[in-house]
Amino acid sequence: GAVVSQHPSWVICKSGTSVKIECRSLDFQATTMFWYRQFPKQSLMLMATSNEGSKATYEQGVEKDKFLINHASLTLSTLTVTSAHPEDSSFYICSASQGANTYYEQYFGPGTRLTVT
Amino acid sequence: RKEVEQDPGPFNVPEGATVAFNCTYSNSASQSFFWYRQDCRKEPKLLMSVYSSGNEDGRFTAQLNRASQYISLLIRDSKLSDSATYLCVVNEGGYNKLIFGAGTRLAVHP
Repeated sequence: GAVVSQHPSWVICKSGTSVKIECRSLDFQATTMFWYRQFPKQSLMLMATSNEGSKATYEQGVEKDKFLINHASLTLSTLTVTSAHPEDSSFYICSASQGANTYYEQYFGPGTRLTVT
Repeated sequence: RKEVEQDPGPFNVPEGATVAFNCTYSNSASQSFFWYRQDCRKEPKLLMSVYSSGNEDGRFTAQLNRASQYISLLIRDSKLSDSATYLCVVNEGGYNKLIFGAGTRLAVHP
């Protein structure tokens, strides 16, 4: 149980284009989903938290107009990187939990490796 | 100062060795603590939660010292399959925000 999938697992795109990454909870309802980014040899950094049906809450320094998050259902959240630049190349990982407080474990997706050329 | 600090390693140990990792965190209001394991180019996987009383899961023992804001992980009888990066993670509470350390890399050799 508690499986989270991400699609695509890797993507290469040209600078200036937009890329959409999907995060799905396959066997549970995810009230809350989290999006992280990890640069090589660095820690995972939380980008934003989304609750189903509400606007995402972005961490300081993360541009909400560049990283569009939609959490339209209890099993799907999407992250769209708009007007991608090479510095957006990173490992993007989502996690999903059944609630927003610390009682609920976060289950991580396998990640999406984005390369912007 | 980083919110969660770890020695990046690498720790190169032979099979069967005992190895210990340490971690410090800066937010004294942090509510829960974890060790995750991350293999190369993969997502992190929960290894164990860490409690003030200390807890053990097979060859793995975790300790928390809230007064010193210090967390440790001890791995006994290391296996080749233990080679990975070990992430110290702190939950600051509120809306379930996880703060990850940069990880300590372990390489177990024959």
